[in-house]
Amino acid sequence: AQSVTQLDSHVSVSEGTPVLLRCNYSSSYSPSLFWYVQHPNKGLQLLLKYTSAATLVKGINGFEAEFKKSETSFHLTKPSAHMSDAAEYFCVVLLGSSASKIIFGSGTRLSIRP
Amino acid sequence: DADVTQTPRNRITKTGKRIMLECSQTKGHDRMYWYRQDPGLGLRLIYYSFDVKDINKGEISDGYSVSRQAQAKFSLSLESAIPNQTALYFCATGDSLTGNEQFFGPGTRLTVL
Repeated sequence: AQSVTQLDSHVSVSEGTPVLLRCNYSSSYSPSLFWYVQHPNKGLQLLLKYTSAATLVKGINGFEAEFKKSETSFHLTKPSAHMSDAAEYFCVVLLGSSASKIIFGSGTRLSIRP
Repeated sequence: DADVTQTPRNRITKTGKRIMLECSQTKGHDRMYWYRQDPGLGLRLIYYSFDVKDINKGEISDGYSVSRQAQAKFSLSLESAIPNQTALYFCATGDSLTGNEQFFGPGTRLTVL
């Protein structure tokens, strides 16, 4: 079965410390992988995407993610958290070019402590 | 993102009523999507359309229908609303020529009493 799992429903870090949001996927194919962010009462915004080029992907606002095929993981990281990073983050898998194989993770809520 | 707009932004209705949610985009994208978001479940795909004459069911299409009136417009209908359709609904667009990224509207919060 093809799926995506976000391992933490809630992550809390102090401002200025590193952020790690974990995502694992299950796929029989080479997937395209995305991270989206959703701020309160807002739509989703693309942070970054992996589409079989470089395995380390840099996104907006200082976020990056590394595709590790052997671990079937695509974890999102940021060296130093800002208060404005507080939001919900979604890992998304796209299998093939068909939109019917878009799978969203259940989301990770990131809280930032002052 | 003002390029993808959804109307209404909030709606409260009663069980059995017919409801239409509308989505418009000025991005010139060929692909459009409807999702619903429920707490703890992420987003689930309801319907998608790759062009004006193409409509496809997603993961959870039962109880919903769609219409692609033009390339820029994609509406979602609930023929007879029920309480478990209470959710946040998102429209998204995508461009088949430039990749698989999707651009989301601000969402419509629907409550069915």
